[in-house]
Amino acid sequence: KQEVTQIPAALSVPEGENLVLNCSFTDSAIYNLQWFRQDPGKGLTSLLLIQSSQREQTSGRLNASLDKSSGRSTLYIAASQPGDSATYLCAVTSGNQFYFGTGTSLTVIP
Amino acid sequence: ETGVTQTPRHLVMGMTNKKSLKCEQHLGHNAMYWYKQSAKKPLELMFVYNFKEQTENNSVPSRFSPECPNSSHLFLHLHTLQPEDSALYLCASSQEATRSGNTIYFGEGSWLTVV
Repeated sequence: KQEVTQIPAALSVPEGENLVLNCSFTDSAIYNLQWFRQDPGKGLTSLLLIQSSQREQTSGRLNASLDKSSGRSTLYIAASQPGDSATYLCAVTSGNQFYFGTGTSLTVIP
Repeated sequence: ETGVTQTPRHLVMGMTNKKSLKCEQHLGHNAMYWYKQSAKKPLELMFVYNFKEQTENNSVPSRFSPECPNSSHLFLHLHTLQPEDSALYLCASSQEATRSGNTIYFGEGSWLTVV
C-alpha cells in the first residue's frame, strides 16, 4: 500500500526566506503528484500538479519537483511571506486513489 | 471558490441524532469523494463514487451512509455516531475516478462535533 510521508511536520521561518518542503512516497508507480495548501478550518486548495512523466512544475513563487525513481518530491517557496502560513500537503495518485501525507505546517514570521 | 460546496460548515450532533452532510460540485466532474480529516492523521478516504456508482468503501462503519443521486450531488448520512467520529469531513471531485492525470478539487469541509 502506498504511504506518503512529509518532513518536517512543522516549520517556522522569517519572512523573505526561501524554503523547501519534502514529500516522500513508497511506491514509485504513480500517475501524478499534487501539492495542496490548507488554511485552518478550510478545505484543500490545489497548488501544483506534476504528471509522472514530468520533473517539475512552477507557479509564481512556487516550484515543485518530482523524482519518481527515488520516491521524492519537493516544494520550493521563494521569498516567503506571512500569507504563505498554512499547512501544505502532498498527494500521489496510484491506481484510482489519491494518497495524502500528513502535511507540513508552515509559519512565516513577519 | 473551488466549485465544490459543502453544507453545513459546522454541525454539532448527539450520539442518537440523524443528520446529513451535503456536497455539490459545479465543475462537470464525474467522480466524487468523501474524506475524513482528524487531527495529526493523514486524510482518510471514506467513499468514492464514479458516474454515480460507488467504487470504493474504505471499510467505513455503517453509521456513515453515502448517497449519490447524480454526478453533481453527494450526501453523507450520519446516524448514531460516536465522539471519535468528530472531525472535518471533506468532499472532493475529479473528472473521473480511474483516469490518471486528474486534479482533485476540495470543498471547504464540514466540521462535525459529536457530543
